[in-house]
Amino acid sequence: DQQVKQNSPSLSVQEGRISILNCDYTNSMFDYFLWYKKYPAEGPTFLISISSIKDKNEDGRFTVFLNKSAKHLSLHIVPSQPGDSAVYFCAASPGSNDYKLSFGAGTTVTVRA
Amino acid sequence: DAGITQSPRHKVTETGTPVTLRCHQTENHRYMYWYRQDPGHGLRLIHYSYGVKDTDKGEVSDGYSVSRSKTEDFLLTLESATSSQTSVYFCAISGLQGNQPQHFGDGTRLSIL
Repeated sequence: DQQVKQNSPSLSVQEGRISILNCDYTNSMFDYFLWYKKYPAEGPTFLISISSIKDKNEDGRFTVFLNKSAKHLSLHIVPSQPGDSAVYFCAASPGSNDYKLSFGAGTTVTVRA
Repeated sequence: DAGITQSPRHKVTETGTPVTLRCHQTENHRYMYWYRQDPGHGLRLIHYSYGVKDTDKGEVSDGYSVSRSKTEDFLLTLESATSSQTSVYFCAISGLQGNQPQHFGDGTRLSIL
C-alpha cells in the first residue's frame, strides 16, 4: 500500500502565477520529507526538503509546508516559470537510521506562457 | 551534477535472459540505492547498500539481486528477466549521514520482450 500519495496527477498553471503541489502520507514514523523534480530522460533532481521539527522551509521560489497533524505537505512555486514544467515527486523517510525513501506517484506540472 | 553513471542507458532483451545493470559513483558515498519507476507508482526501492558487501532488500526486491564489492560500484542483476521487469531503473547515492538527499543517475530504460 502506497504510504505517500500525490492525488493530483497533473497541474496546469499560467507563467508568473503560483503552483501548489500537494502530498499526503500515512506513516506517522516519517520524519524527513523531500521534493524532487524530474525532466524526461533524466534522473530526479533534489529540490527542497523539510524535517518534522519545522513547518516551513524556503529556498528561493520554492517553499515547502508541513502539517504533521494532518500528515500533509505542500510545495509552493512562486512565480512559476516555463522551466518548471516537469514531474514533481514527493518523498519521505523515517530518519533515525532508516533513510529509505518512499515516493508518491508524481504530479506533472505544465506552465503555460 | 553528482558523479553517478548508469550503464547501459538502454537495453532490450528477451524473457528468461540474465541482465546486469551497473551504477558507478565518483563521490565516495556510503549509501547506494536501486529504484524502479513505473507509471502510477512513482519510484519504488528495490535494494540498497550501506557499505561494501552490506546490502538489504527494499519494497520490490523479488526477482532482483545486488552486489557491491567496491565503494564506487553497485550492480543490479535480474537472474531471469520477465516482462513485468520492463521499467526505468534509477540508481541513487547519499552521503556519510544517511539522512541527506539522495542524488540520482539518469536511469536505464530496460525492455523485456
